[in-house]
Order: sequence, then C-alpha cells, then structure tokens
Amino acid sequence: DGGITQSPKYLFRKEGQNVTLSCEQNLNHDAMYWYRQDPGQGLRLIYYSQIVNDFQKGDIAEGYSVSREKKESFPLTVTSAQKNPTAFYLCASSFGTDYGYTFGSGTRLTVV
Amino acid sequence: ELKVEQNPLFLSMQEGKNYTIYCNYSTTSDRLYWYRQDPGKSLESLFVLLSNGAVKQEGRLMASLDTKARLSTLHITAAVHDLSATYFCAVYTGNQFYFGTGTSLTVIP
Repeated sequence: DGGITQSPKYLFRKEGQNVTLSCEQNLNHDAMYWYRQDPGQGLRLIYYSQIVNDFQKGDIAEGYSVSREKKESFPLTVTSAQKNPTAFYLCASSFGTDYGYTFGSGTRLTVV
Repeated sequence: ELKVEQNPLFLSMQEGKNYTIYCNYSTTSDRLYWYRQDPGKSLESLFVLLSNGAVKQEGRLMASLDTKARLSTLHITAAVHDLSATYFCAVYTGNQFYFGTGTSLTVIP
C-alpha cells in the first residue's frame, strides 16, 4: 500500500539540541511539504520541495532545515535556533493540484 | 497577504440538524480542498474542488465552490456524532497550499 511514513511518532528534544524528523513516501509524488501545527491552530508551512535537490522556504522556515536528496525522502531538522519547537509536525506530498495532499501521521515534538 | 478564513471557528450542533461551514479566501484560485482532522491525528482529504460551481458530496457532507465570490461551503446534513472533528479548507496558489484556521465541530446527542 502506498503512503507517507513519518517517524518517530513522539520526539523529545533537550534545549540546544538538533533533532531530525523523518518523512518517506512511496507514492511517486514529486512535491513534498512540511507543516507545523500548534494546539488549536491551523497549519503553517515550513519548507516545501517540488523536485529532488530543490526546496523553498515557507512562512516559518527560521530555525529549520531540510534536504531532498531522493524523491522519496524529505527530512526536517529542527535546529537549536528554533526557540519554540514544541508542536505537531505534519509531512505531506502531492502528485499535483488535481489531487491535493496526502498527509503523514505526524510527529509530536516536545522540548524537555 | 493571502488570507483563508473559516467560520464559524467552533460549532456545536445537535444530532439530526443541518449546518454550513464557510471558507472565504482573498486570492484568485480555482482549487479548493477540504480536510478533516480528528483529535491528535493527521489530516484526511475529504473533497477536491477544481472549478467554479464544483459540487461534491460524500455521505452527509457536501462541498461547493464559487470562485467569483472566493467562497467555499461545507454543508452538513442530519449530523451524527461521527462527524465530530476539525475541518480545514485549503486554497492552492503560487505553488503552495494555504490553510484556513479550522472549524471545530462537536455533534451532541
């Protein structure tokens, strides 16, 4: 079955630490996206990639970094520069605008 | 700045009643999407609306799009408890999808 896999489901980060969230898809989608969702809020775009080896900043890219070395993979690193990283992170991919998004199950990141 | 506004933000409705959620957006777009999110879960695609006048129905939910008015509606018919969730609309423009703030729906017996 095709889909998007995010891991881990829960992640705890210590102050000053970088952590990487994994996102893998086997849907053969070109475009991949990372969103952040805070409690009771909508989704805010962090980064997106329309093609391998290329990505663009979204509305809240500061303190985050990404890579797109393979079509299937779009990992997100939350760096120590991100001062308030506690949130629910959602990865999505898209085959095109006729179809909308397919979302992963999310990673809940907590700073301890 | 592009805005996607949903109203109401919170909706509590009785089982068996009808209601409409509205999604207004501030840019030109003919692509509008509706998603459902259960508490603590990811988003599930409900409808993809790709042209002016598009209408799609699935069970007790019906979505429509008026691109001239920059308005989409999600109509709930004879609500049941299983429809309790948060509903998001999203607009595609400029290589990005922009999400509304969500409507939290609670259906009470």
